Amino acid sequence: DQQVKQNSPSLSVQEGRISILNCDYTNSMFDYFLWYKKYPAEGPTFLISISSIKDKNEDGRFTVFLNKSAKHLSLHIVPSQPGDSAVYFCAASVGGATNKLIFGTGTLLAVQP
Amino acid sequence: GAVVSQHPSRVICKSGTSVKIECRSLDFQATTMFWYRQFPKQSLMLMATSNEGSKATYEQGVEKDKFLINHASLTLSTLTVTSAHPEDSSFYICSAGQGGETQYFGPGTRLLVL
Repeated sequence: DQQVKQNSPSLSVQEGRISILNCDYTNSMFDYFLWYKKYPAEGPTFLISISSIKDKNEDGRFTVFLNKSAKHLSLHIVPSQPGDSAVYFCAASVGGATNKLIFGTGTLLAVQP
Repeated sequence: GAVVSQHPSRVICKSGTSVKIECRSLDFQATTMFWYRQFPKQSLMLMATSNEGSKATYEQGVEKDKFLINHASLTLSTLTVTSAHPEDSSFYICSAGQGGETQYFGPGTRLLVL
């Protein structure tokens, strides 16, 4: 039972354009969501998070949007840069970032120069 | 951000041997750490929650007698893969949080069982 899903296994975007990565979840108890960037054979690097009491959080080029009624969140990267090319995972938890995380399946983002 | 280290970064062992992986929080104390496993081109799957001073909590389908977890101190958790087999070959990652906006992940340990 995949509680967190990323339906796009890959995404290709031109440098300077917007990258939009999507994530859906099924467990309505999730109240905290995170996005991580990961390279092969490395640990995930935290990008941005959002609590369920908010619908938007912004940090520099990264913005996360949360639609609780649709159980959907998205990560927007503007402008996209070649260095953003990596696998992006969304993750969800119940009770905050220090509780166990359930990861999505990942989306491979390729930013073309 | 906080730093989490893992040792070793990669290990190759023979089938039937045991392998210990260490996870340390370098600049903060963590009463709880988490162990994940990632198979090639798949997601990170939570294996167990490591609790300082008490038994670990294992996820469904994870054999506690095969994956021994010890959280000896507030900065160290160890995962021992006992009697390793080729199907245990994977990328093992630990994480720890300090009450902030995220968990911090270690760099991972690549295990190859021959």
